[in-house]
Order: sequence, then C-alpha cells, then structure tokens
Amino acid sequence: QSVLTQPPSVSGAPGQRVTISCTGSSSNIGAGYDVHWYQQLPGTGPKLLIYAHNNRPSGIPDRFSGSKSGTSASLSITGLQAEDEGDYYCQSYDSSLNEVVFGGGTKLTVL
Amino acid sequence: EVQLVESGGGLVQPGRSLRLSCTASGFTGSRFTFGDYAMSWFRRAPGKGLEWVGLIRNKLYGGATEYAASVKGRFTISRDDSKSIAYLQMNSLKIEDTAVYYCARRSGGYEDFDYWGQGTLVTVSS
Repeated sequence: QSVLTQPPSVSGAPGQRVTISCTGSSSNIGAGYDVHWYQQLPGTGPKLLIYAHNNRPSGIPDRFSGSKSGTSASLSITGLQAEDEGDYYCQSYDSSLNEVVFGGGTKLTVL
Repeated sequence: EVQLVESGGGLVQPGRSLRLSCTASGFTGSRFTFGDYAMSWFRRAPGKGLEWVGLIRNKLYGGATEYAASVKGRFTISRDDSKSIAYLQMNSLKIEDTAVYYCARRSGGYEDFDYWGQGTLVTVSS
C-alpha cells in the first residue's frame, strides 16, 4: 500500500490528453512538500519529468505539465505519442514517516 | 551530462550480504562536484512500484544518512567522493529484497532526483 495513491492505469489514443492523479494527505502533499513526477519506460531507469509541482527540467517537452491543489497533485500529458507508453510515478516527502514516498505508479497505454 | 552506473548486483542467498556501487561521471566542467550532492538508492521489486531505500547527504552535512524503515539496521549507504562512487551495503538479505536497485542524484534545489542510473538486479533466493 503506497503512501501516495495513483490510478493503476490510464489510456488514450495518439494526440489525446490524459491526466494522472496523485492523492496524498496532511503529512505529505498537504503539508506543503513538493511533488515530483517520473517516467519509467520499459527496461530503463526512471527519468525526472516534473519537479516542484509544475516545473520541467531542460529537454522535457511542454506536452507534460503538473499541478497541485490541497492534498493532491496531477500530471497531464497532451498530444499523446506512442513513445509515452510506460510507468509514471509521483513522489513527495512524508513528515510522519520521515521518508521519501512514492505513488504506486500508473501504467500509461497509448491505444 | 551526468551519468550514473550501478554495479554489483547478482544472485545471493537469504541471510548473506552484497555491496552495490554507483559510479558517477560527467561532473567535469561543472562548478559542482559529486561531493556537493546528496545521493540516494531506490528499488523496484518485480511487479511493484518504486521504493526509496535511503540517502546519504553531501559533505556539507557530514555525509549523514537516512533509511527507509524496511531496510534500517540492515542496509548502509556510504560514499567515496574522491572516486565519485556511492555504495549500498546490504546485509541480512531477505527474499523480499529482490529488486532492481537504482541510484539517483538529489538535485540541489527542490529535493527531486534529477539523474538516475539504469539499475542493477539483485535476486535473493536459496
């Protein structure tokens, strides 16, 4: 059972938009800790997509965006492409556990 | 560009030990060195999601370490800044420690993890 809750899977057709939610609590996202998002493609290490809710590292296309509200955050991907298929994780910090915490991951399928 | 390469994975029996290494490169020409960054270890068990294992802070914080409850007392993270290597010493290994282990650099800004390695597989089995 992950501290942050994500839907197990989402899907969309090429060109469409999908949104992945990440629900936390008052000891992590709700406490003001930053939310970061990672993409893990099959057979590779995770890659930072979004940091501190809505900032993109250099080289990440603006098709990827993030937001945060209250105890939740979300990742939006517009203009879906086949190469976006993979697993997506949200990450924050939990002050009750004193640990870095992740969502359980969401598998994105491009139809 | 920064690159991280994990090594040392393999098949090990329950109760035994294993040491993983994370070798960093690509800091040449940067005003910051390997020693300026905190480094962390993560794992992904088969069919499961990412799990944080632990972290070692940079030299400014004396290389202090933090661990997930699931590995505290069994795993130890250390670093050799002269060689740009971070280590994960895993003792008293359990079957449930079977996973791909990743190292990552914690960025200096928002405590995200901005560079990751490709991972090394650790299989704990008799």
